[in-house]
Order: sequence, then C-alpha cells, then structure tokens
Amino acid sequence: NAGVTQTPKFQVLKTGQSMTLQCAQDMNHNSMYWYRQDPGMGLRLIYYSASEGTTDKGEVPNGYNVSRLNKREFSLRLESAAPSQTSVYFCASSRNQGDYGYTFGSGTRLTVV
Amino acid sequence: AQSVTQPDIHITVSEGASLELRCNYSYGATPYLFWYVQSPGQGLQLLLKYFSGDTLVQGIKGFEAEFKRSQSSFNLRKPSVHWSDAAEYFCAVGPSIYNQGGKLIFGQGTELSVKP
Repeated sequence: NAGVTQTPKFQVLKTGQSMTLQCAQDMNHNSMYWYRQDPGMGLRLIYYSASEGTTDKGEVPNGYNVSRLNKREFSLRLESAAPSQTSVYFCASSRNQGDYGYTFGSGTRLTVV
Repeated sequence: AQSVTQPDIHITVSEGASLELRCNYSYGATPYLFWYVQSPGQGLQLLLKYFSGDTLVQGIKGFEAEFKRSQSSFNLRKPSVHWSDAAEYFCAVGPSIYNQGGKLIFGQGTELSVKP
C-alpha cells in the first residue's frame, strides 16, 4: 500500500547511544516532517523538509539532526540519546508545504534508559 | 503565538450517544482547521478539514465539525458514537497556503473511550 513507512517500530537505547530513524514515502510528495508525540503535549514538530535538498528546524530541534537523502527518504538522527527523548516519533509527508493533507507513518516508539 | 487548545483530555461516552469534542485556537488570521484521529498504535488519519465557505464541514466516519469564528472554535461532533470510534482525536491549525512557511500546529489531544 502506498504511504509512509517508518523503521524501526520500537527501539530501546541507552543514554549516550546514537541511532537513526528512517522514513520513506512513495507518494511523490515534496514535503516531509518529523514530529514527536508525548502524553498531554500533542504532536510537536522537530524538523521538516519543504522540498528535496532543504531542511529547517521546527519547534523542538535540539538534540536531533535530519537528512533529506532524496525525494523519498527523510531520516532523523539522535547523536547522543537522552531520557528526555523517550517518545513516539512520527514521520509525515505532504504534496507541498502548505498542503495540509499530511500522510502519517505508523510511528517509532523510542525508549531511552 | 499560535496555539490550539483541546480542553478535554479524556471523554467517556456510551455507545449510541452523541459526541462533541472541543477545540479552540488562537491565530491572527483565518486559519485552516483540521481534525485527525489516531487509533492505538497507529499514525494519524485526517477526519475532516475547513478551509473556507460553509462553516459546517462533513468528514469521514460520520463526523462533522463547525467553525465558529466568533468563538475561535472548531468542535467535532458525531450524532451516534460506535465502539470503534474509541481513539485519540487531535485538532490542528495551519495558516493559509498563501502564507509561506506554514505548518500544522496540533492540540494536546482528547482521548475518547466508549462504554458498551
């Protein structure tokens, strides 16, 4: 099925470890987003990529880096994981920035111990 | 700053009863408004959206929402709730597509439980 695919679905890290969350979409969308979801706080934007070759910070970018590898793929990297980064991470895509028909992936549940 | 408030963290309704989930926004211009639903362990799915025109919008799964500019509200309603509607619901706002750089801002979410 067409959509947004995130890997892995679950991950446990030790404090200080690094990892990359992968996201790929097959809808030929130009814009991609990374959100984190925490209880009682809704979804908060970490980084986004309006188009291939561009990335920008969102509301909570500290501790994260991103790479828009190509039009399909947008990865999120945690260089040195902290317990405060325990969260559920969602990748989303849209046809263009400002087109709010976001398609979401099923999420990555990350625990940092 | 732009913000979205969903006053109810958790609501429980009986199956067959009516439902209204509240959403208030703070935004300078006329925003674009959305409701998303998240089933357990899943990503978010768009229920409905309001851009302009008729202030009562229809969505999927029998949901509707009404935009009230005077109250800065965009409440979600359903006349008769089904057990499968149990999920978390998110209201979101975004600026006009004519406003470059616009991105969605989400509310905190309302968890809906349905009693048999």
